[in-house]
Amino acid sequence: HRVESGGGVVQPGGSLRLSCAASGFPFSNYGIHWVRQTPGKGLEWVSFIRYDGAYKFYADSVQGRFTISRDNSKNTLYLQMSGLRAEDTAVYYCARDFSSSGSYPDFWGQGTLVTVSS
Amino acid sequence: EIVLTQSPGTLSLSPGERATLSCRASQSISSSYLTWYQQKPGQAPRLVIFGASSRAPGIPDRFSGSGSGTDFTLTISRLEPEDFAMYYCHQYGRSLWTFGQGTKVEIK
Repeated sequence: HRVESGGGVVQPGGSLRLSCAASGFPFSNYGIHWVRQTPGKGLEWVSFIRYDGAYKFYADSVQGRFTISRDNSKNTLYLQMSGLRAEDTAVYYCARDFSSSGSYPDFWGQGTLVTVSS
Repeated sequence: EIVLTQSPGTLSLSPGERATLSCRASQSISSSYLTWYQQKPGQAPRLVIFGASSRAPGIPDRFSGSGSGTDFTLTISRLEPEDFAMYYCHQYGRSLWTFGQGTKVEIK
C-alpha cells in the first residue's frame, strides 16, 4: 500500500515536496519510482531511488530541479520539487520497483495532483 | 534515449474479439525489462505483463505478451468488458525508464 501526499496548487517558480508513505511490504528492500501523468495524457517516468538511497536517477526534464530521497526508518519516499513550471502539472505516482536496484514498477500508489499555475 | 512507439493509438473492438497491441522500440532492448500496464480512468496503472511475456499475478490468461529486440506485442484473446482501458508499454535500460504513448482499447 502506498499513499502519496503533498500535492496542491503552486505558482510557477515555486517549490513543493511530495511524500509517499508505504506499508504492507519491507520498504527498505525495494527501489521506488516517481512517475507522473499529465491530465488526459500519458505516463512519464520522473525519478528512481535505490533501496538504500545510494543511487538516484532523474529524467532530463526534471534533472537539477527535483530531488528524490527516502527515509527507510519512516517507510517514506519524498520528491522535492523546485523551479516548478506549468509543464510539471500532473498527477504524481509513487511506484514500487520489482527489485532493490531498478527494473520495472510493479505496484503503484493512487497519485497526488500537482498544479502549477499563477 | 530509447523511444517506444505504440500502435494503433485507438483500437475499437467488441467484447469477445481479439485485441493486438504493438510496441516498437527505437533500438533493441532487453526483453527482461519490457512491461505492459493497464490503466482505467481515475485509477493508477496496473502491471499486466513483465519480462515481455510473463503475466503478473492475478492477470487472466487471455492476456499474453510476446516479442523481442525492437518489436513487442500485447494480445488479449477475447475481450471482456473490464479489459477496455488504456495500455502502456514500458522499458528500462541504462538507468532510464521510458513509456510508450499508450493504446486505448475502446468498445466499438
